[in-house]
Order: sequence, then C-alpha cells, then structure tokens
Amino acid sequence: EIVMTQSPATLSVSPGERATLSCRASQSVNSNLAWYQQKPGQAPRLLIYGASTRATGIPARFSGSGSGTEFTLTISSLQSEDFAVYYCQQYNNWRGTFGQGTKVEIK
Amino acid sequence: QVTLKESGPVLVKPTETLTLTCTVSGFSLNNARMGVSWIRQPPGKALEWLAHIFSNDEKSYSTSLKSRLTISKDTSKSQVVLTMTNMDPVDTATYYCARTLYSYGPSEDYWGQGTLVTVSS
Repeated sequence: EIVMTQSPATLSVSPGERATLSCRASQSVNSNLAWYQQKPGQAPRLLIYGASTRATGIPARFSGSGSGTEFTLTISSLQSEDFAVYYCQQYNNWRGTFGQGTKVEIK
Repeated sequence: QVTLKESGPVLVKPTETLTLTCTVSGFSLNNARMGVSWIRQPPGKALEWLAHIFSNDEKSYSTSLKSRLTISKDTSKSQVVLTMTNMDPVDTATYYCARTLYSYGPSEDYWGQGTLVTVSS
C-alpha cells in the first residue's frame, strides 16, 4: 500500500502570506494526486486533481505541482477562509490513500 | 445538481455488522466516467479511504480492511451500499460517500455530509 506523508503537520501563517504544503508518496503515483480542504464539521472539498488542475470554482491562489513522489500545494496569499486542514490523496491501482493532513492556522 | 446522502445506524455494538447506504442524485451509477467511494474519518483524525465501486460493478477495497468490507450498488435506486463486519470501537468515525471522477487522475469531486457511527456496547 502506498503511504502518503504530509509536512509540516501544522503551518502557522499570517493572512496575506504564502503557504507551501508538501506531500510525499512512498512510491510513484505519476500525477494521480489530489488535494482537499476540510473545515471543522464539514466534508472535504476538492481543490486540485491530476496534481495541478484546479477543481471547478477553486480560486487561482491555489496551485498544485509535482509528479512521481513529490507534490506541493501552494496558497499564494492566504485569506481568512483558507485556514483549515489540507489533505493529499493518491490513487494507485484504484486504491486510494490519504496523507495525515496539514493544519494551516493563523499566526 | 449532484448530491450524495449517507444513511444508516448511528450506534452499533461491537462485533455487529454495519450497513450504510449512499443515495445519489444528479448523476448515474452507470456513467463510465465516474464511480462512488466510501471514506471515513475518526473523530479528530485523518481521512481513510475504504472502498470504490465502478460503473461496471467492479470493486476496489482498502488493503487493510478488505476482509471486512463489501461494496455494492443498486442502479435502479441510485444507491451504493457499504457493509463492514465485526465492528469495533476503533471503527467509530464519520463515514462519507463521495463521487469519484476519473478524468486526469481520480478524485472525489462531490461528497455527502457524512454520518457519524459510534461503536459501543
């Protein structure tokens, strides 16, 4: 089973600053990587799929990059509504696994 | 408008079998471009992918939980059912169903609201 490792566990950022979240796969997942945002009490929301394609309605300040085993989610200028937990997810052989999440909190 | 809604018991006893139903609308379970997955989340913890069912009725399961899980669908009712046997308190979690879109790499683009299942005697 592919293991997804996210870092850091918690990221403290001031509004308006840039946030960079990392996700590493234990083996190559090509570009089969998605990012989700989850706020307390809510279901996750798809942000990025195919490693770098924004989902419908997702603001341009969210961008994804990477392929193989190393991936990055960048939020260019954090807004108040962006403070949340972010998960990466891979699909390999049609089995999905999630990372442990990165909490983005207000500094 | 795509919607998914989970239903099932809120409380199950240890060793019992959990049966959850996901009722979907706004898309067809026969659409070859998409399927339905189940994901769970223990309180305060990370998401855990459980199972997926394709339009052609093929299934895929989490390696660690495969022996306990069964996913099925009833296209005429627009429902996907997940059963999990031998429930344990560590299985206490919010269970989500989600639509999985296959384009440019699979991803869950629509989610249900989730249903909290507590395992306790």
